[in-house]
Amino acid sequence: EAGVTQSPTHLIKTRGQQATLRCSPISGHTSVYWYQQALGLGLQFLLWYDEGEERNRGNFPPRFSGRQFPNYSSELNVNALELEDSALYLCASSLEKGSTEAFFGQGTRLTVV
Amino acid sequence: DAKTTQPPSMDCAEGRAANLPCNHSTISGNEYVYWYRQIHSQGPQYIIHGLKNNETNEMASLIITEDRKSSTLILPHATLRDTAVYYCIVRVLSGSARQLTFGSGTQLTVLP
Repeated sequence: EAGVTQSPTHLIKTRGQQATLRCSPISGHTSVYWYQQALGLGLQFLLWYDEGEERNRGNFPPRFSGRQFPNYSSELNVNALELEDSALYLCASSLEKGSTEAFFGQGTRLTVV
Repeated sequence: DAKTTQPPSMDCAEGRAANLPCNHSTISGNEYVYWYRQIHSQGPQYIIHGLKNNETNEMASLIITEDRKSSTLILPHATLRDTAVYYCIVRVLSGSARQLTFGSGTQLTVLP
């Protein structure tokens, strides 16, 4: 069974540009979570989607947004990129009903120059 | 979610048991204790979780005190590949705050 897949693995953007990160959950999982991990820091919760709806949001500005598609895959969009947005972006998926563990992908390393 | 307190770092000799403590003194009755680990720059890996009773799986054992205010993750025979940051998380499984909230974790270094 395929795990959570994220693309691209690495992304380099210029300050002010937009970045789009993609996540495919494990088959059958309806919930997708996004996290940001800046270098040397912990994982910060960004967004949670389930059944196509945004269920919760972390303490991030509105230029961080996303969506979940009917097949439960998800996109994270970061607008007006700033140097501080450079980080590893991690996606996790889980079953929602009676969910227990969440499974993480290997992340997208975003570098803003 | 309730906050957790973990030591920032620990060392363990290869082949010995690694015991990682976690304090969660404000845990609520409906919050579970989860453990994840993150090997350098990889996605976190689920280890184990529990509510009240001690739990064991192929990776580790989880011991939760009777008052649920603290727990210990036990890796019975640590190997070099167990070197990672270990996160203790308390989490509800219902409502709008079901996301995992990570703290700073414990850097476990397994020494040869």
